Amino acid sequence: DAKTTQPPSMDCAEGRAANLPCNHSTISGNEYVYWYRQIHSQGPQYIIHGLKNNETNEMASLIITEDRKSSTLILPHATLRDTAVYYCIVRGDNFNKFYFGSGTKLNVKP
Amino acid sequence: GAGVSQSPSNKVTEKGKDVELRCDPISGHTALYWYRQSLGQGLEFLIYFQGNSAPDKSGLPSDRFSAERTGGSVSTLTIQRTQQEDSAVYLCASSLGPGRNRFGYGYTFGSGTRLTVV
Repeated sequence: DAKTTQPPSMDCAEGRAANLPCNHSTISGNEYVYWYRQIHSQGPQYIIHGLKNNETNEMASLIITEDRKSSTLILPHATLRDTAVYYCIVRGDNFNKFYFGSGTKLNVKP
Repeated sequence: GAGVSQSPSNKVTEKGKDVELRCDPISGHTALYWYRQSLGQGLEFLIYFQGNSAPDKSGLPSDRFSAERTGGSVSTLTIQRTQQEDSAVYLCASSLGPGRNRFGYGYTFGSGTRLTVV
C-alpha cells in the first residue's frame, strides 16, 4: 500500500467547510483512496472512498487530483460532532488490510 | 447483527495472565480483521481472516498473540502471559471481503476492547 502524509492537526470554525488534505505521491493505478474518522473512544468510521473521480455522499466530498498524488476530504458544514481524527488510507483492490497512519486531528470550534 | 460487536468493552488484567477478546462480525461478512491502537497512536494491523482461515498474520507482534475464527463468524484474539506493553484498545472490523471496493464497502469497526495490563 502507498504511504500517506497528513497534517497532524487542523482547526475549523463550526458551520464552515473543513478541507483535510492528504498526500499519497506513491499511489499506484489500482489503489483506492479511503477516508475514515475516529471519534474519541469509538471505532473508526468509514466516510468515503474513490479511485480517480471526485466522489460525494451524505457525509463528505472527496476531491482527487488528476495525477492522483493527493486528495482532499471536504466536510461542507462542519459541526462540533465532526471533531475527530481523520485517516487517509490508500489500498489496492484485493489488499486485505489497511495501513493507518497518525491521521489529522480536526478540532471544530464554536 | 447490525454492527460489529466486541466483548468485553474493558478488561483489566494482571501481568502474566492470559486474556481472550471476542469479536462478533456483521452477519454475512466473510472478512474479519484485528487491529490494535495504543494510546495516542494510529491503528496497527494484527491479523486478517477470510472465512476461518488467516492468510495474513503478519501483524501479530509475538507468539504470545494468537487468533482463531470459527464458523466463519466469531473470532477470538488470545494474548498469553500479558505484558504491560500489550495495553491498548483492540479493534475488530469486518467487511464483505476483498475485491468489493467497487461497491463502496469499507470496513465496519467495532467499538473495541480496552485492555489494561497492570
